[in-house]
Amino acid sequence: GAVVSQHPSWVICKSGTSVKIECRSLDFQATTMFWYRQFPKQSLMLMATSNEGSKATYEQGVEKDKFLINHASLTLSTLTVTSAHPEDSSFYICSARDSGRKVSDQPQHFGDGTRLSIL
Amino acid sequence: AQKITQTQPGMFVQEKEAVTLDCTYDTSDQSYGLFWYKQPSSGEMIFLIYQGSYDEQNATEGRYSLNFQKARKSANLVISASQLGDSAMYFCAMREGDTDKLIFGTGTRLQVFP
Repeated sequence: GAVVSQHPSWVICKSGTSVKIECRSLDFQATTMFWYRQFPKQSLMLMATSNEGSKATYEQGVEKDKFLINHASLTLSTLTVTSAHPEDSSFYICSARDSGRKVSDQPQHFGDGTRLSIL
Repeated sequence: AQKITQTQPGMFVQEKEAVTLDCTYDTSDQSYGLFWYKQPSSGEMIFLIYQGSYDEQNATEGRYSLNFQKARKSANLVISASQLGDSAMYFCAMREGDTDKLIFGTGTRLQVFP
């Protein structure tokens, strides 16, 4: 079945560091990927839509300059948390769907998530 | 207004019993999709079942079935013969129109006890 790989799974770093998280679709191509953020015991909140070859679309209230998204190929999107601070500590998770198939045919597949802890 | 509502923050069920997790939704689109995902404590999101708005039959996947009542805008998940490994958070989600964006409910924590 479709697999989405997310790396790293866990990051602990100092305040002020920039952290890059990768999301790869392993056996399908994805023109669109999504980045979510999840606080403990809360639901997933969509941060942005990553579009291959063009700018990401950010949800209201999400800082574009803080959360940089790059979708340089049909199988890879990256989220960079720039100059991270403790309030950026969270669980970040990406999802993707096989672009070669109809939206109605299949679900989003999620990566295993990245736990980010900023000290 | 909430697009996806899960009114049960937590549910308990005994092993081998069935359990229903509630989900109601709000949309003005005629075309939409409803999903259920399971999130164990390790964090990954596991797809369980999907129901399209035009599907006439209720979706079933093994022990999971979706009780789709379109007029009431509800899409409840039924888990039959619960297992200890079913203990997790369960999220209902909706896709509107032909977009890929998912809107999630607040989740229900299911605890299965022996």
